[in-house]
Amino acid sequence: DIQMTQSPSSLSASVGDRVTITCRASQGISNNLAWFQQKPGKAPKSLIYGASSLQSGVPSKFSGSGSGTDFTLTISGLQPEDLATYYCQQYNSYPLTFGGGTKVEIK
Amino acid sequence: EVYLLESGGGLVQPGGSLRLSCVASGFTFSSHAMGWVRQSPGKGLEWVSGITVSGPTTYYADSVRGRFTISRDNSKSTLYLQLNSLRAEDTAVYFCAKDRYGNVFDYPDFWGQGTLVSVSS
Repeated sequence: DIQMTQSPSSLSASVGDRVTITCRASQGISNNLAWFQQKPGKAPKSLIYGASSLQSGVPSKFSGSGSGTDFTLTISGLQPEDLATYYCQQYNSYPLTFGGGTKVEIK
Repeated sequence: EVYLLESGGGLVQPGGSLRLSCVASGFTFSSHAMGWVRQSPGKGLEWVSGITVSGPTTYYADSVRGRFTISRDNSKSTLYLQLNSLRAEDTAVYFCAKDRYGNVFDYPDFWGQGTLVSVSS
């Protein structure tokens, strides 16, 4: 199975900050990586697929990059509504696996 | 607008069974692979099962293979998950999810709100 490791597990940032979350795969997954946002008590919401393609309707302040084993999710201009846990997921091979999540808090 | 409505969760004793349903609307259900992802209380996301468009072919996580069965009824735009031989560690919110494109469930671009399964004596 491909292990997905996210860092940090949590972070606290101020409104307007640029936030970066990293995700590392235990083996190469090309660009078969997605990012999800989960707000407290809600279902996950898809943000990015193909490592860098924005899901329809998602604001452009979210961006993704990377290929192979190392990936990043960047939130430009953090807002209070971005308070959530963010997960990466690889879909290069079964079983599909998720990172452990990064909880983003607002200072 | 895409809509996925799960139902069928509840409290069940260890060794018991449940059948989860997910009614879909707002898209052509028969053209999309579908799947289930669960989340134990306070924990992260775990893929459970997927079903292809054609065949269909089914896939399972090792933790549920042989106990859970995924199926679909395209005439009813409904996805199912039969849960048998339930264990305490199966306690979780179960999310139904739609794949963005392709025959295989790999990238879920839309999720339902989830249904809670609690396994306890």
